[in-house]
Amino acid sequence: DGGITQSPKYLFRKEGQNVTLSCEQNLNHDAMYWYRQDPGQGLRLIYYSQIVNDFQKGDIAEGYSVSREKKESFPLTVTSAQKNPTAFYLCASSYTGEGYEQYFGPGTRLTVT
Amino acid sequence: SQKIEQNSEALNIQEGKTATLTCNYTNYSPAYLQWYRQDPGRGPVFLLLIRENEKEKRKERLKVTFDTTLKQSLFHITASQPADSATYLCALSGGGADGLTFGKGTHLIIQP
Repeated sequence: DGGITQSPKYLFRKEGQNVTLSCEQNLNHDAMYWYRQDPGQGLRLIYYSQIVNDFQKGDIAEGYSVSREKKESFPLTVTSAQKNPTAFYLCASSYTGEGYEQYFGPGTRLTVT
Repeated sequence: SQKIEQNSEALNIQEGKTATLTCNYTNYSPAYLQWYRQDPGRGPVFLLLIRENEKEKRKERLKVTFDTTLKQSLFHITASQPADSATYLCALSGGGADGLTFGKGTHLIIQP
C-alpha cells in the first residue's frame, strides 16, 4: 500500500530534551512538509523540502530542524529551544509543480512536561 | 499579513440538507485553493482543488466555488449525511510546492 507514515503516534518528553519525529513516504513524491496544529487552530508550516538535500523554512521554523537525506524520509527534530513544543505534528508529501494536493500522515501528538 | 477566515462556530445541519461552508481570505492572491476534511486525531484528507481561473468544481456530492474578486470560496455538501460530520479546512497556495496556508477550519455536524 502506498502512503505516508509517522511514528510514534504519541510521544512524551521532558522539557529540555530534543526529540525527533519520523516521517516516511512511499508515494514517490519529491516534496515533503511538516505542519504543526494546536487545539482549535489551523495547520502552520514548519519546514518543507522540494528535493533531496534541500529544505526551506516555513512560517514557524524557530526551535525546529529537519534533514532530507533520502527522498522517502523527512525527519523533524523538536529542539529544547522550541518554547511551546506540545502540539499535534503532521507530515505531508506531494508532487512538485503546479496544483498538486498534499497527502498527510496520521500525525504525532507530542507532549512535553 | 495573509489571513484566512472560516466559520469559527460549529455548523449544525439537518441530514439531507445542503451544508455550505465559507472561506474568506485577505492580503493574498492564491493560484489554488484546496479543501480538506479532518477527523478528530487524524491527518487531513484532500477533497477538492480549484484554480484561480476556475469558477466552480464538482465531485460527487461536493461543490466548490472560487471568487477571486470577493476573495471567497464556498464549499457545498449536498444531501448531507451524519458521516459527513468532521472539520473542513480551507487551504491556499501560490503555486508550486511551497506549502499551504490553512484556515482554522469549520466543524460541521450533520444531525440525523
